[in-house]
Amino acid sequence: DMKVTQMPRYLIKRMGENVLLECGQDMSHETMYWYRQDPGLGLQLIYISYDVDSNSEGDIPKGYRVSRKKREHFSLILDSAKTNQTSVYFCASSFGSQNTLYFGAGTRLSVL
Amino acid sequence: GDSVTQTEGLVTLTEGLPVMLNCTYQTAYSTFLFWYVQHLNEAPKLLLKSSTDNKRTEHQGFHATLHKSSSSFHLQKSSAQLSDSALYYCALRNMGYKLTFGTGTSLLVDP
Repeated sequence: DMKVTQMPRYLIKRMGENVLLECGQDMSHETMYWYRQDPGLGLQLIYISYDVDSNSEGDIPKGYRVSRKKREHFSLILDSAKTNQTSVYFCASSFGSQNTLYFGAGTRLSVL
Repeated sequence: GDSVTQTEGLVTLTEGLPVMLNCTYQTAYSTFLFWYVQHLNEAPKLLLKSSTDNKRTEHQGFHATLHKSSSSFHLQKSSAQLSDSALYYCALRNMGYKLTFGTGTSLLVDP
């Protein structure tokens, strides 16, 4: 069964703290994504990774960085989190050119 | 740049009535369009996709036809069900496998 796993599911942080969101997939997909979801704005692409250590900025990369050291893991890091980074974060993966995205269940992050 | 427009933020329907959710797009590249559905507290998942002009694509009772002449990919269903209540996203494939999503349309089906 194809699966994308996100940890943690819920997270509360204080402004200025560092945040690590982790994502794993068991499908050996080359391409992985981080999106954030906000009401009225839809899903916005933060970063895309084409494979290990092959990452590219999405539409809203400011304030975020990513790490992909193994094909099955893709991390999103917020250095010194800001209140406007409160959101639901979705990780996704896809295979080749098919572009069918398989999403994780999401991480709801609150930055206070 | 590439963009996807979903004009309705919320669509409210009575069960049994037809559904039509609008999606238009702008792109300078090859066209691959998607509809994703997200039920409450769940992850988005693919509903249907198409890259073929003027060909109807169907899945789970929903259908859409890509019209490149009008840059549209509207989602339709002949009869809404309560279980269709969800958030629907239209998305466009960009260069480099990036997907650009619209702002989403919430569909609420009343009994």
